[in-house]
Amino acid sequence: GESVGLHLPTLSVQEGDNSIINCAYSNSASDYFIWYKQESGKGPQFIIDIRSNMDKRQGQRVTVLLNKTVKHLSLQIAATQPGDSAVYFCAERSYSSASKIIFGSGTRLSIRP
Amino acid sequence: GAGVSQSPSNKVTEKGKDVELRCDPISGHTALYWYRQSLGQGLEFLIYFQGNSAPDKSGLPSDRFSAERTGGSVSTLTIQRTQQEDSAVYLCASSQGGRGNGELFFGEGSRLTVL
Repeated sequence: GESVGLHLPTLSVQEGDNSIINCAYSNSASDYFIWYKQESGKGPQFIIDIRSNMDKRQGQRVTVLLNKTVKHLSLQIAATQPGDSAVYFCAERSYSSASKIIFGSGTRLSIRP
Repeated sequence: GAGVSQSPSNKVTEKGKDVELRCDPISGHTALYWYRQSLGQGLEFLIYFQGNSAPDKSGLPSDRFSAERTGGSVSTLTIQRTQQEDSAVYLCASSQGGRGNGELFFGEGSRLTVL
């Protein structure tokens, strides 16, 4: 079935460095992708989204890159801060599935002081 | 309210009992989602509502699971004859709806423990 997965289950980054979280998806019909951040004990929080007609989108300290050729999505966090420690999920939606949003398994980002 | 509200926040029940989980979405949000998250895992899609109708129920794990939404607002997820494998955090989210909107606003979840 449709799935969204991640290359790395955990990522440890030095404070101040940039973080890159990767995600692979399998559904070639996916046309919309979203990144969420989940802190311990809380529900996921929207970070940034990107449509399939784009290959890059920037937000505040975050950039999402989309490579449709290899079905790969990445989230880049600039100047990583302690508050960035969380689990990050990529999610996707296919045009044919209306608003059904499928989440990947997540990557835990930990920050070294 | 200001955000998505879920109740109860914690529920411990015995195997075989029925449970109801409630979600109160952000006012005016037409779309409502239920997900299940097991410990250390990702979010498993259960069901999605647009208004009061559920276009996609494909994620419900079995016929013991059902959900309804009334008045385009509050939703209830019911699990009948609970099993231990139902133990998880059940997350509800709402959004303004529409194809271009993937910004879901999540509640803090209802943690279900089946003994």
